Amino acid sequence: AQSVTQLDSQVPVFEEAPVELRCNYSSSVSVYLFWYVQYPNQGLQLLLKYLSGSTLVKGINGFEAEFNKSQTSFHLRKPSVHISDTAEYFCAVINNNAGNMLTFGGGTRLMVKP
Amino acid sequence: EAGVVQSPRYKIIEKKQPVAFWCNPISGHNTLYWYRQNLGQGPELLIRYENEEAVDDSQLPKDRFSAERLKGVDSTLKIQPAELGDSAVYLCASSRDYKGEQFFGPGTRLTVL
Repeated sequence: AQSVTQLDSQVPVFEEAPVELRCNYSSSVSVYLFWYVQYPNQGLQLLLKYLSGSTLVKGINGFEAEFNKSQTSFHLRKPSVHISDTAEYFCAVINNNAGNMLTFGGGTRLMVKP
Repeated sequence: EAGVVQSPRYKIIEKKQPVAFWCNPISGHNTLYWYRQNLGQGPELLIRYENEEAVDDSQLPKDRFSAERLKGVDSTLKIQPAELGDSAVYLCASSRDYKGEQFFGPGTRLTVL
């Protein structure tokens, strides 16, 4: 069974600083990778996804992520965060051989401080 | 385009009581998912529907949980009887088909006292 590990449960950062949220997955087969954001009392919103092609993926709100197959990682980055980026971020994976079943990581709470 | 609609948004019940959650997916989306999100954790799939057929319910605790999607559109998830450990956010998502991007509703936060 595949699993997704988000190494940091909380990441505090000052406004306008860069941030990286880490995600590693375990799968021996081809996968699709996703990052979702969840604002308080709201559902999950897709930030970006990797299906194939370029390993550097750009998403909404200035976020980007890089797929690294050798390290089985898909870290999320933003060069300059805003207060409004404060939210919970979830990494997720779909095993290409298992339909459309999303497996989520435990989440990372990004706390942007003024 | 309207998003996935869920109701109620919040529900507080006493243990052993029944509870039901309702989901209206995005129009035209054939695939519907129910997830449970425990506090501080990522969502976990409970059941997936293709139209009115449940095609993946391996994670649904069938002794107390049930779900239906009778006309292949709206869906209801029921718990009877509820236990303290059922306190969580129940998320509904839909996609155009089984390969499509999943769009999530705002969830129903259940508190069992």
